[in-house]
Amino acid sequence: GAVVSQHPSWVICKSGTSVKIECRSLDFQATTMFWYRQFPKQSLMLMATSNEGSKATYEQGVEKDKFLINHASLTLSTLTVTSAHPEDSSFYICSAGAVDGNTEAFFGQGTRLTVV
Amino acid sequence: GEDVEQSLFLSVREGDSSVINCTYTDSSSTYLYWYKQEPGAGLQLLTYIFSNMDMKQDQRLTVLLNKKDKHLSLRIADTQTGDSAIYFCAESMENAGNMLTFGGGTRLMVKP
Repeated sequence: GAVVSQHPSWVICKSGTSVKIECRSLDFQATTMFWYRQFPKQSLMLMATSNEGSKATYEQGVEKDKFLINHASLTLSTLTVTSAHPEDSSFYICSAGAVDGNTEAFFGQGTRLTVV
Repeated sequence: GEDVEQSLFLSVREGDSSVINCTYTDSSSTYLYWYKQEPGAGLQLLTYIFSNMDMKQDQRLTVLLNKKDKHLSLRIADTQTGDSAIYFCAESMENAGNMLTFGGGTRLMVKP
């Protein structure tokens, strides 16, 4: 099946610094990628929809200036957590679907962010 | 808005069958999915069913969909300890692409 690679798998950063998470579709092109956040013992909540070549669409309550999303190509979307705080510590997962309209969404392996 | 609900916890003995249930509210769901998440890991797609289907079977997994009641279930036959994980059901809506709405997840514990 299709592969979505997410990097890094885990990261620890200091408060106030920024962290970039990459999501790559390795063997298909994705016009749209999705970023989800998962708090401990909770479900995944959609943060934003990343559209290639245009601005991301953020869900209500998600600060777009804090969670910067860039989708510069059909195979790469990045999520940058700016000025990270301990409450940003979470598990972030991206997903992508192929441009051919295949409904299946392929997920990255997730990034565990810990802000200290 | 859409809402997907699951029971939080299920415990079974090894070799028994497990049935994980999910309810959803949006009748415009097109596909319904079951994902497995092991500790600290991403999501693994187990199976999915199109909304005009009633049942789908894949080896030990059987998915039943009651569209009238908006009820989805996942049955795991001969449950093994390696099946212990959190299982999420999710739905996608027509024209929403690959965007999914997830249930809260059911933690399956398999006792030897």
